[in-house]
Amino acid sequence: DADVTQTPRNRITKTGKRIMLECSQTKGHDRMYWYRQDPGLGLRLIYYSFDVKDINKGEISDGYSVSRQAQAKFSLSLESAIPNQTALYFCATSDVGTADGYTFGSGTRLTVV
Amino acid sequence: AQKITQTQPGMFVQEKEAVTLDCTYDTSDQSYGLFWYKQPSSGEMIFLIYQGSYDEQNATEGRYSLNFQKARKSANLVISASQLGDSAMYFCAMGDYGQNFVFGPGTRLSVLP
Repeated sequence: DADVTQTPRNRITKTGKRIMLECSQTKGHDRMYWYRQDPGLGLRLIYYSFDVKDINKGEISDGYSVSRQAQAKFSLSLESAIPNQTALYFCATSDVGTADGYTFGSGTRLTVV
Repeated sequence: AQKITQTQPGMFVQEKEAVTLDCTYDTSDQSYGLFWYKQPSSGEMIFLIYQGSYDEQNATEGRYSLNFQKARKSANLVISASQLGDSAMYFCAMGDYGQNFVFGPGTRLSVLP
């Protein structure tokens, strides 16, 4: 099993629909993150959580919300999807003070039509 | 604020040749880490190499080495003996030890047979 699992892998949804992207990890890391990737822009941080009771907005949080259900689970919601939220979404985890950087999930490719 | 610049949107290299991917960064922190990730066409993010800001020696991992020039704030990735499987997007990233990462826009490397 992958260390960081994202579901679904691919999703097409209609404008205005609510959609949830899920992430679970077996790394035992406290820190979890959601990023979106757009061509030419690299990865941009949406939300991050340093423990179950800690949720923080990232660079581009508007239009998104998150829930940290447990240490191992961090979900991202689009309350009312719009076409410019079409992107590749990554969940990642990290351990404090290590040189290992992030462990990424395989990504969710979301298309809003 | 931290910032990563990758000035090469695309690079070509002949198989078996070495290639350098440029990365410059901007930070006022004294303690930070620099990371390189590879993203093949399948989409996953693969951690390649790490350099700490206090490390005196350049990091190496197999065919990957990081040319770290702290005064110039550069952290170039050198891939030796390029292989066809090295064709991918490459992202430079920087994190403080709060592990908030900033990613560059990426460089697409194409290895020619």
